Amino acid sequence: EAGVTQSPTHLIKTRGQQATLRCSPISGHTSVYWYQQALGLGLQFLLWYDEGEERNRGNFPPRFSGRQFPNYSSELNVNALELEDSALYLCASSWTLGTGSSYGYTFGSGTRLTVV
Amino acid sequence: SQQGEEDPQALSIQEGENATMNCSYKTSINNLQWYRQNSGRGLVHLILIRSNEREKHSGRLRVTLDTSKKSSSLLITASRAADTASYFCATATNTGNQFYFGTGTSLTVIP
Repeated sequence: EAGVTQSPTHLIKTRGQQATLRCSPISGHTSVYWYQQALGLGLQFLLWYDEGEERNRGNFPPRFSGRQFPNYSSELNVNALELEDSALYLCASSWTLGTGSSYGYTFGSGTRLTVV
Repeated sequence: SQQGEEDPQALSIQEGENATMNCSYKTSINNLQWYRQNSGRGLVHLILIRSNEREKHSGRLRVTLDTSKKSSSLLITASRAADTASYFCATATNTGNQFYFGTGTSLTVIP
């Protein structure tokens, strides 16, 4: 069974540009979660998608957005990049709403975004 | 914030010794989980303990949960150099699917 895959592995962008990060969940998982991990810090919850809808978002500005496609893969978009957006962005997937919290997440290896 | 906090922030031990790290959280939870992260990559799920459980074992891992104190501990027995990683606790509430992660404990096991 393939794990959670994220692309690209590394991304370098200039301040003010837009970044698009992609995530494919484990087959059968309908929930996708995005987390930001700045250097040396814990994971900050960004977004949760389930069945194509945004279910919850963390305390991040609107320039962080995303979507979930019919095949349950997901995109995270960061507009108007700022230097402090440099971080490891982790995607995780789980079973569907209502049952996901009873199981562990399966994480991808992350996308390291560097804003220069 | 619903995030937990791990303690200590960093821990260095000799191979073969036991490592204990603690997690405190703020709100009522459905379950608590521990994850390991190697070298800033993806997290690996280690163990889950439900709110009605007090202790759980998995191989060399032992997790305890005290809901009255809103705290949990992770014990790694007979540590190995390969256990060197950051360890995070994550809490799941009864109202949502997303987990809230702590700040992590960086464990170094010296061969």
